[in-house]
Amino acid sequence: DAKTTQPTSMDCAEGRAANLPCNHSTISGNEYVYWYRQIHSQGPQYIIHGLKNNETNEMASLIITEDRKSSTLILPHATLRDTAVYYCIVREGNNRKLIWGLGTSLAVNP
Amino acid sequence: EAQVTQNPRYLITVTGKKLTVTCSQNMNHEYMSWYRQDPGLGLRQIYYSMNVEVTDKGDVPEGYKVSRKEKRNFPLILESPSPNQTSLYFCASKGINYGYTFGSGTRLTVV
Repeated sequence: DAKTTQPTSMDCAEGRAANLPCNHSTISGNEYVYWYRQIHSQGPQYIIHGLKNNETNEMASLIITEDRKSSTLILPHATLRDTAVYYCIVREGNNRKLIWGLGTSLAVNP
Repeated sequence: EAQVTQNPRYLITVTGKKLTVTCSQNMNHEYMSWYRQDPGLGLRQIYYSMNVEVTDKGDVPEGYKVSRKEKRNFPLILESPSPNQTSLYFCASKGINYGYTFGSGTRLTVV
């Protein structure tokens, strides 16, 4: 079973920030938080990952709470092309297996 | 361009006719994996390979075979396809850093 809980769907206005939450209350000390997205039926695309510090790259920012039980993926200026299903996954550092939930379907509206 | 290439993209076949879905990566990744995706079930791992000649079962391996004779290729073999193997299939690879790179997918229909 997936170790994360995400809302089924969210909406966001184009140009605004999209904040996607994820709960991972059973996360252990050596587990990373990964975010992927899947646009329509294309292959999932890696976005970002983190262990306990906040992370930022060209695609998004990842905010992890101090107790590590939840995180938020932030798309700072959402565009229509960001409409996708977003998956939050926790994974052990040495374990390459990903356990996928059903993700959050994000709709970016004009 | 770093990528995972799957072929074919679409395939319709009949029950029992052996088929192979090819997967190739050009990133020199050691780890490769196959997933299937079905509505309401998400992505489920079929098989994975930690390196050449090292393969292991994932969560749903029944009815599938794989081989890893060289680092770049990881074909998925269905010896006797059945309709319950109709699905969207993804191959993925992973290096030391960052996340998985996925192929574009193969939509298989078994009639």
